[in-house]
Amino acid sequence: DGGITQSPKYLFRKEGQNVTLSCEQNLNHDAMYWYRQDPGQGLRLIYYSQIVNDFQKGDIAEGYSVSREKKESFPLTVTSAQKNPTAFYLCASIKGQGAPDTQYFGPGTRLTVL
Amino acid sequence: ILNVEQSPQSLHVQEGDSTNFTCSFPSSNFYALHWYRWETAKSPEALFVMTLNGDEKKKGRISATLNTKEGYSYLYIKGSQPEDSATYLCALRGVGGSQGNLIFGKGTKLSVKP
Repeated sequence: DGGITQSPKYLFRKEGQNVTLSCEQNLNHDAMYWYRQDPGQGLRLIYYSQIVNDFQKGDIAEGYSVSREKKESFPLTVTSAQKNPTAFYLCASIKGQGAPDTQYFGPGTRLTVL
Repeated sequence: ILNVEQSPQSLHVQEGDSTNFTCSFPSSNFYALHWYRWETAKSPEALFVMTLNGDEKKKGRISATLNTKEGYSYLYIKGSQPEDSATYLCALRGVGGSQGNLIFGKGTKLSVKP
């Protein structure tokens, strides 16, 4: 089955630690995205990548970093510089940048800072 | 900053009731509108992508309309069933934005009681 996988499902981090959230897709999609959800808020874009070896900051990129070395993979690192990292993180992908098309989402990772 | 508003925030209906909710967006910056259904513990699932003023889309008992001139979209569910219980998200792609740079509303959480 084609789809997007995210791991882990739950992640606990101590203050001051960097953690990396995994996102893998086997849909052969070109573009991938990371969103963050906080209680009572809509999804907010952290980073996106339209092509391998290229990525762009979204609305709330501070304290995060990404890489896109392979088409299938778009890991997100939450660094110690992120002031309030406890949130639910969703990864998404889309085929291309042409006519409007739907995004496919992964199941998410819930990150909690202890 | 573009703002997408959804109302109501939550809705409780009885099985068999028909219901509808609203997504409002700035009409001056419209390219496409997306609707998603997000069930608890699952990935958000795409329902519709709408681009044309007056567009109507239907998927089973769920339908949506779009008014780009006044900046709103309605989502209708006919004869609600318990399995319709989910959070319904709308997201705007603005002019000049790429596929994934969607502005999400906070969602409408629907609970259908048997």
